[in-house]
Amino acid sequence: GDSVTQMEGPVTLSEEAFLTINCTYTATGYPSLFWYVQYPGEGLQLLLKATKADDKGSNKGFEATYRKETTSFHLEKGSVQVSDSAVYFCAHYLQGAQKLVFGQGTRLTINP
Amino acid sequence: NAGVTQTPKFQVLKTGQSMTLQCAQDMNHEYMSWYRQDPGMGLRLIHYSVGAGITDQGEVPNGYNVSRSTTEDFPLRLLSAAPSQTSVYFCASSGQFTEAFFGQGTRLTVV
Repeated sequence: GDSVTQMEGPVTLSEEAFLTINCTYTATGYPSLFWYVQYPGEGLQLLLKATKADDKGSNKGFEATYRKETTSFHLEKGSVQVSDSAVYFCAHYLQGAQKLVFGQGTRLTINP
Repeated sequence: NAGVTQTPKFQVLKTGQSMTLQCAQDMNHEYMSWYRQDPGMGLRLIHYSVGAGITDQGEVPNGYNVSRSTTEDFPLRLLSAAPSQTSVYFCASSGQFTEAFFGQGTRLTVV
């Protein structure tokens, strides 16, 4: 069935380190792919998205590229900040199914 | 723009009590959904709606009811609360070609 698998957390890094959070998916058809971020005590916010193969989504220094051949959408940032500490969710959306499928979330903590 | 508004933010229920979690959106979105968030399990879809008068079950619908009488509102009803329903609940809405927008969540504890 349709699913999203994320790199298990928690992940702890020092400020200015390079970040990668892996995400792979299984889906029937060609889904849109998303990264959502959840800051403490808040709801989910869209971080970036990609709607077709080879698209690159980017926002706030984060990037992810839709790789159809490896069914992946890994999140990267070149230099993380303390303010990036949050839980990150990878998700896919199939237009016909009208619903988001989420990964289990990865908790990221950045130490100064 | 208010976006998606959920009430209440926190609730404690006794086992067997019933309650309704409210969700309203002001973006004229067709699609609305309810998710529950549990540690280590991400978000799981409870029920969703593709328009007023149309609802369908998600991954974990048991113990919950929904209705969609208007485009704006999508309440979630717990018929007889159980400790297993202790969770954080999120409502989301989306248009046909937009991403999902989420409410701030309702933290529910069933004792």
